Amino acid sequence: AQSVAQPEDQVNVAEGNPLTVKCTYSVSGNPYLFWYVQYPNRGLQFLLKYITGDNLVKGSYGFEAEFNKSQTSFHLKKPSALVSDSALYFCAVRDTGNTPLVFGKGTRLSVIA
Amino acid sequence: SAVISQKPSRDICQRGTSLTIQCQVDSQVTMMFWYRQQPGQSLTLIATANQGSEATYESGFVIDKFPISRPNLTFSTLTVSNMSPEDSSIYLCSVRAGGRDEQFFGPGTRLTVL
Repeated sequence: AQSVAQPEDQVNVAEGNPLTVKCTYSVSGNPYLFWYVQYPNRGLQFLLKYITGDNLVKGSYGFEAEFNKSQTSFHLKKPSALVSDSALYFCAVRDTGNTPLVFGKGTRLSVIA
Repeated sequence: SAVISQKPSRDICQRGTSLTIQCQVDSQVTMMFWYRQQPGQSLTLIATANQGSEATYESGFVIDKFPISRPNLTFSTLTVSNMSPEDSSIYLCSVRAGGRDEQFFGPGTRLTVL
């Protein structure tokens, strides 16, 4: 069975500082990994994905994520946080079949001016 | 990307009643999913609804409580039956468009049961 762990309920970062939101996963076979963001009273927006290839994936709004197979991790990063990045971030995984996404519990990011 | 709309966007319902949520996609998609997001929690998959076959429900969800229709490749409905306050959640429709790896999500239906 697939699973995702986001160990931090909340991450606080000062504006302009780098941010990291952590994610580890468990899946049989090769993982398809995703990050989504949810702003208040809005649906989920796709940020980025790792399917294969370069371990560093770049996505929307300046976010990137690094796939680490040995540590089964897919941490979300941004070099310089903005107040507007404050939102709820979800990591998700599926295997290579036609299976639906399984989500982590989410991490609330708060960027303080 | 697929554009997904849901109706209603929100509703307040009485205990014991039922609500049908509609999901409309702007393109034909084979794979459609229904998720529930309870207050302050993550997304939990209710069922997978592929056109031409019966919906497949996840553990803890049953067809009598959450009947799903999938009449064509652009539309689906989820009914929340005999509602109780524990059903208060955001219900999200999601699709995986052909050839794409990521899933796209509708804006959600915020349901409050009194």
